[in-house]
Amino acid sequence: GQSLEQPSEVTAVEGAIVQINCTYQTSGFYGLSWYQQHDGGAPTFLSYNALDGLEETGRFSSFLSRSDSYGYLLLQELQMKDSASYFCAVNRDDKIIFGKGTRLHILP
Amino acid sequence: EPEVTQTPSHQVTQMGQEVILRCVPISNHLYFYWYRQILGQKVEFLVSFYNNEISEKSEIFDDQFSVERPDGSNFTLKIRSTKLEDSAMYFCASRDIEAFFGQGTRLTVV
Repeated sequence: GQSLEQPSEVTAVEGAIVQINCTYQTSGFYGLSWYQQHDGGAPTFLSYNALDGLEETGRFSSFLSRSDSYGYLLLQELQMKDSASYFCAVNRDDKIIFGKGTRLHILP
Repeated sequence: EPEVTQTPSHQVTQMGQEVILRCVPISNHLYFYWYRQILGQKVEFLVSFYNNEISEKSEIFDDQFSVERPDGSNFTLKIRSTKLEDSAMYFCASRDIEAFFGQGTRLTVV
């Protein structure tokens, strides 16, 4: 089967750094993606890791370790607008499977 | 920037009725998907479509559901005989590497 595990909620302070972890079990793994979803909105793509290591895109970075079936999303210099749900997702050739999402609460 | 468009944005239907949700994916993408999200829950895979046929479907996607690409641009999800538990947000997505999602259709079955 396939499964992804990520924390249901994380709370952090504006300006701080937060890391959201994701572990997965799947067959046919191509890569790990991260999506952001604001309340009432559609998921939007943040980053994708096909290979081990760190990918950086502005304030957001994502890491993958294929041998550990583990990845994380790192958000730096948190802003209030970063309050959202964050989904890790496994890319296979024919579909993308999403985790249950992590609700990020940001305190001023 | 290219985008995935979905219509309608909100659909209210009576239990037992059929609904068709419409999507226009990004034109040069090859994979198309339908996902659903029950309020407050995760995004659930329904079906993937490649080369004009279903490539994979989830256990949710039973005989009540069907997909079509009736022409070169539209991609539809039909739900026959809707049930109360079909109430959810339905997202269409198309993909190159990353998936681009439409804004969703909120289906309310009453």
